[in-house]
Amino acid sequence: NAGVMQNPRHLVRRRGQEARLRCSPMKGHSHVYWYRQLPEEGLKFMVYLQKENIIDESGMPKERFSAEFPKEGPSILRIQQVVRGDSAAYFCASSPGRGSYNEQFFGPGTRLTVL
Amino acid sequence: AQSVTQLGSHVSVSEGALVLLRCNYSSSVPPYLFWYVQYPNQGLQLLLKYTTGATLVKGINGFEAEFKKSETSFHLTKPSAHMSDAAEYFCAVSDPGGGADGLTFGKGTHLIIQP
Repeated sequence: NAGVMQNPRHLVRRRGQEARLRCSPMKGHSHVYWYRQLPEEGLKFMVYLQKENIIDESGMPKERFSAEFPKEGPSILRIQQVVRGDSAAYFCASSPGRGSYNEQFFGPGTRLTVL
Repeated sequence: AQSVTQLGSHVSVSEGALVLLRCNYSSSVPPYLFWYVQYPNQGLQLLLKYTTGATLVKGINGFEAEFKKSETSFHLTKPSAHMSDAAEYFCAVSDPGGGADGLTFGKGTHLIIQP
């Protein structure tokens, strides 16, 4: 029973390039969350998606960041025109249902470095 | 808005000694409470959670935590530390009313085990 998969594990981009981060939830999970972890900080919620729908994007920066979770395939977090401040670890989590009592299962993260 | 405070960014204990990691929260309603552990370059793993019922919660690896509403605390303890407990520990809260879908994390406490 595979856990939450994220790829790539490490991503290096130069300023101005695009970064695409992928997340495959656990089997049977249709709820996906994205979090960002800056150095020496806790995780910050970015966005919550169900299949084909963005439910809560209250933590997403207003510009350059977008997320999707298509009917088929993984969830994608896309960062356009990356800047050095985007360097962080990005974690994806999935859960079997909506509701804060549901456990969120976390992937290993993608560590983005912007040169 | 919810917030989580973890007192002590680094805690050092001797192997075999008591582990105590502190977590206080601020919330307009009693939240659901979680402790996660993160090993280097890995994702987060749930140690334990409190939703309703008994305020003393037992988790994996011998950890437990007690919800104290009057003190707005959810401190994590383990009677006897083991070298394998060395990791980053995060306290998190969620809104049981569904007002927000993501977890709110503290900044984390790095647990160091001295031989």
